[in-house]
Amino acid sequence: AQRVTQPEKLLSVFKGAPVELKCNYSYSGSPELFWYVQYSRQRLQLLLRHISRESIKGFTADLNKGETSFHLKKPFAQEEDSAMYYCALNTDKLIFGTGTRLQVFP
Amino acid sequence: EPEVTQTPSHQVTQMGQEVILRCVPISNHLYFYWYRQILGQKVEFLVSFYNNEISEKSEIFDDQFSVERPDGSNFTLKIRSTKLEDSAMYFCASSYYQDRDSEQYFGPGTRLTVT
Repeated sequence: AQRVTQPEKLLSVFKGAPVELKCNYSYSGSPELFWYVQYSRQRLQLLLRHISRESIKGFTADLNKGETSFHLKKPFAQEEDSAMYYCALNTDKLIFGTGTRLQVFP
Repeated sequence: EPEVTQTPSHQVTQMGQEVILRCVPISNHLYFYWYRQILGQKVEFLVSFYNNEISEKSEIFDDQFSVERPDGSNFTLKIRSTKLEDSAMYFCASSYYQDRDSEQYFGPGTRLTVT
């Protein structure tokens, strides 16, 4: 079965704290994984994809095939990072997790 | 920067009525998608469309749903006879490629409320 799991509905941290948003996937082939973000009253937009191995807005995500995970990390959270974060598996269509709301308090 | 647009932003309809949700994908994109998100649930794939044909559809996309690209710019989702459980946010997306590492660009969504 093709599935993406985000176990945390809500993650609350203070500004400057590290954050890790968890994502696990189930897929029999070689996965293509993305993180999408939705800021308040804005559209879903791509944050990063595993294949490009880039850091966007200080966020990174490493694909761990052994643990079937693609956790999103940032060493020092900022208030403007508050948003909904969706992990997604691309199989010519996007299969989304349920999302994690990140709240960063001042 | 070009964006996917969707109209209307909010549609209220009575059960049993037909609705058409409209999307204008990014102009040079070739692949088009509809997703929906029922309140409190995950974003779910409905259908993908390429070269004036459905490429793939989910089990949600039953006979009451249809998609069309009536001209060179619009991409529509029609729900023939709406049910209460069709109430959701409907997102249109488009991409230039359909490679599995290609980004899909999303519209702002249409909130459909069926009463």
